[in-house]
Amino acid sequence: EVQLVESGGGLVKPGSSLKLSCVASGFTFSSYGMHWIRQAPKKGLEWIALIYYDSSNKYYADSVKGRFTISRDNSKNTLYLEMNSLRSEDTAMYYCAKSGYFDYWGQGVMVTVSS
Amino acid sequence: DIVMTQSPFSLAVSEGEMVTINCKSSQSLLSSGNQKNYLAWYQQKPGQSPKLLIYYASTRQSGVPDRFIGSGSGTDFTLTISDVQAEDLADYYCLQHYSSPFTFGSGTKLEIK
Repeated sequence: EVQLVESGGGLVKPGSSLKLSCVASGFTFSSYGMHWIRQAPKKGLEWIALIYYDSSNKYYADSVKGRFTISRDNSKNTLYLEMNSLRSEDTAMYYCAKSGYFDYWGQGVMVTVSS
Repeated sequence: DIVMTQSPFSLAVSEGEMVTINCKSSQSLLSSGNQKNYLAWYQQKPGQSPKLLIYYASTRQSGVPDRFIGSGSGTDFTLTISDVQAEDLADYYCLQHYSSPFTFGSGTKLEIK
């Protein structure tokens, strides 16, 4: 059974940093690209980052480019999202998702940016 | 960037009825290489993460009931839910995974009368 479990969220102040993790199981993690997607409270879904299976390519939404970094450790079956210079508009539930058409999603982790 | 225009914003139907949700992309999602449309549909029930229903515009994900039908090609796509059940209460989103930045439709809220 495919499982994706996010962690690392919390309440932080504007301008601070946070690193999210997504631990994968039930599939060969090192063979698949992975995404991060977020959803602000009561809002729709926003894709924010993609990393290829071998970390050879990374893509970002303009809203996070230069502030967020996606990475992975295939030896640990873990995907990361390092978030810097956080703003109030980054407040959202953050999901990791597997593969090209986002076939499996984690349960999400909440990030709240507030003073 | 590819813009996804999804409609309607919301709809309310009785159990047993059929609903249609539309998604229009600003560019074709049809790959000339493999003739696949890079359009997916998701269901998000209250308090849950999104779940894949349909990929490549019309391929049903394993375990998804056959009352969920995806259709369309190029720039115009439709999700049809026939014989709506109370458990189908959810938000529905389309997604283009043709090119980065990947973009979602704005969502459709399905309510059951």
